[in-house]
Amino acid sequence: AQRVTQPEKLLSVFKGAPVELKCNYSYSGSPELFWYVQYSRQRLQLLLRHISRESIKGFTADLNKGETSFHLKKPFAQEEDSAMYYCALRADKLIFGTGTRLQVFP
Amino acid sequence: GAGVSQSPSNKVTEKGKDVELRCDPISGHTALYWYRQSLGQGLEFLIYFQGNSAPDKSGLPSDRFSAERTGGSVSTLTIQRTQQEDSAVYLCASSLDPGFNEKLFFGSGTQLSVL
Repeated sequence: AQRVTQPEKLLSVFKGAPVELKCNYSYSGSPELFWYVQYSRQRLQLLLRHISRESIKGFTADLNKGETSFHLKKPFAQEEDSAMYYCALRADKLIFGTGTRLQVFP
Repeated sequence: GAGVSQSPSNKVTEKGKDVELRCDPISGHTALYWYRQSLGQGLEFLIYFQGNSAPDKSGLPSDRFSAERTGGSVSTLTIQRTQQEDSAVYLCASSLDPGFNEKLFFGSGTQLSVL
C-alpha cells in the first residue's frame, strides 16, 4: 500500500533554530516525493520536489531510500516559515500526509 | 490568467440536502484532482480526471459522492444527502500534464459546513 506518514502534528521552534519536519513513505516502486506548503490564508503550493534537488527558501529535503524518508530541513528557521507543511508521494496519483504545522516563535 | 478557481468559497447546508461544488482549472491543464481537507486527516484524495475521464475514483467516500468534468475544463463535485461528517474544505487542483514530476496548482477551496 502507498502511504505517507508525518508523525508530528505540530512543531514549535524559536527563530534561528534548526528545523526538521519528518516524512516517511511506503511504496514498492520508485518514489517521486514532494513537499507542499500552506501559509496562513494562502493556497497550498509546491515547495520543492526531490527530483530537482533544489533548495527553496533555505529548505532542503533528501530522499533516503534505505530509511524510506524524505525529511524537510532548514538550518535557521524564520518567523515567516510558520505554515502547514505536507509531504506528498506520487504513485499512480498524488497522495499526501496528514501535515505538520510549523510554528516559529520570535 | 487566474489560477484554479473554486466556487462557492463557503457553503452552509442542512443535513440531507444535496450540494454542488465547482472547480475551474487553469486553462490548458489536462489533469484535475479533488481532495478533502479536514482537521487531523490531512489531504484525502477523492478523484482524479485526465481530460473528461476519471481513471481513479477510488477515494470517493461513498456513493453519495460523484464528480464530472465537461469539455476538459470545469469540474463539479456533487454530494447527495449530505451528512455532518461531510463538513470539510474541498480542494481542487490542476496540472498541465500528469506524470513524472507533476506540479499541482491548488484552488482556495470550498469550506462546506453541514448543520
